[in-house]
Amino acid sequence: DVKVTQSSRYLVKRTGEKVFLECVQDMDHENMFWYRQDPGLGLRLIYFSYDVKMKEKGDIPEGYSVSREKKERFSLILESASTNQTSMYLCASSFGVAEQYFGPGTRLTVT
Amino acid sequence: GENVEQHPSTLSVQEGDSAVIKCTYSDSASNYFPWYKQELGKRPQLIIDIRSNVGEKKDQRIAVTLNKTAKHFSLHITETQPEDSAVYFCAAREVEYGNKLVFGAGTILRVKS
Repeated sequence: DVKVTQSSRYLVKRTGEKVFLECVQDMDHENMFWYRQDPGLGLRLIYFSYDVKMKEKGDIPEGYSVSREKKERFSLILESASTNQTSMYLCASSFGVAEQYFGPGTRLTVT
Repeated sequence: GENVEQHPSTLSVQEGDSAVIKCTYSDSASNYFPWYKQELGKRPQLIIDIRSNVGEKKDQRIAVTLNKTAKHFSLHITETQPEDSAVYFCAAREVEYGNKLVFGAGTILRVKS
């Protein structure tokens, strides 16, 4: 079974803090993704990576950065958290053009 | 880039009835169309997908149809059951960016028993 794990299920941070969200997959997938999920807006892609040290901007990259130093690990960084970044963050991984396996999500609240 | 629109945003059906969710996409080069189901408090999971070289695919009570000319695809659930209640997302592959998917906004399906 594919396993995608995320470092936290719930996180509360203050405005201006630097926030790290980590995602780990155990299936040697080359593709990894970070999404943001908000009611009525579906899943919006923030960044994705198709190889170690490679990254591509998604549809809403502003205010975020990513890091992929190892194949199994993909980190999302909020350089200076703001209240409009309060959301559910979902990580996913895939092999080729195929099913994306999602992590359990991190509900981030920025106060 | 690719744009995916999904309708309806909410759908209520009686147990045993059929449910249909429709999506349109903008990029005629898109060639992969998955559907994900997300139950309350859980992660999205793939339930069925279709590639552009086929027009229809079935898996027990669910089916997906694709009309490439009109650039739309639909999810059909027959004999709905209470456990089908969930949020359903369609998606289309944005070919220009490899394995990137663009998702629709989601449909909340409620099956009333």
